[in-house]
Amino acid sequence: DAGITQSPRYKITETGRQVTLMCHQTWSHSYMFWYRQDLGHGLRLIYYSAAADITDKGEVPDGYVVSRSKTENFPLTLESATRSQTSVYFCASRGARQGAEYGYTFGSGTRLTVV
Amino acid sequence: SQQGEEDPQALSIQEGENATMNCSYKTSINNLQWYRQNSGRGLVHLILIRSNEREKHSGRLRVTLDTSKKSSSLLITASRAADTASYFCATVYLTNKLIFGTGTLLAVQP
Repeated sequence: DAGITQSPRYKITETGRQVTLMCHQTWSHSYMFWYRQDLGHGLRLIYYSAAADITDKGEVPDGYVVSRSKTENFPLTLESATRSQTSVYFCASRGARQGAEYGYTFGSGTRLTVV
Repeated sequence: SQQGEEDPQALSIQEGENATMNCSYKTSINNLQWYRQNSGRGLVHLILIRSNEREKHSGRLRVTLDTSKKSSSLLITASRAADTASYFCATVYLTNKLIFGTGTLLAVQP
């Protein structure tokens, strides 16, 4: 089925380890985003991408790295995980030619725990 | 920092009643969007209102926008237990970055 898929759904990792969260969309949407959701903070933008090979920082980029070699994939890497990065991570996408009424489409999220 | 804040943080009503949530934001906007999030799930887009619009309807949803006060409200009429969720406003300005408020947790009691 077409859509936006995040993997893994749940992840437990140790402090200091590198971990990569995957996001894959099948619509060829130009724009993709990574958010983290924490209690009391709502959703905060980590990184976004306007197209393949074009990425930019959001509100809370420190400690994260992104890449976008293909339009459909937008992986998020925590280079050296810290406990403060324990969170629920959401990927989203939006087409450049989508009408403004459609909004953004979100994945189901990855719940990451850093121990 | 968050673009917006929502009020109230939590709201509990009975089925059939109307629910009103308010959102305030800080900067100019191109549009403002409302999303719903059921517990443990991703966000679902509900409605979008452009900066030059003042009111918009979609089914049981009514959104208003006051750019002079930098505020918006979401009204859900004749609420149902299935409307129980968190509701977020989010704004877009110049770029395609969607910046969220902190959300309102709505509980609709059957």
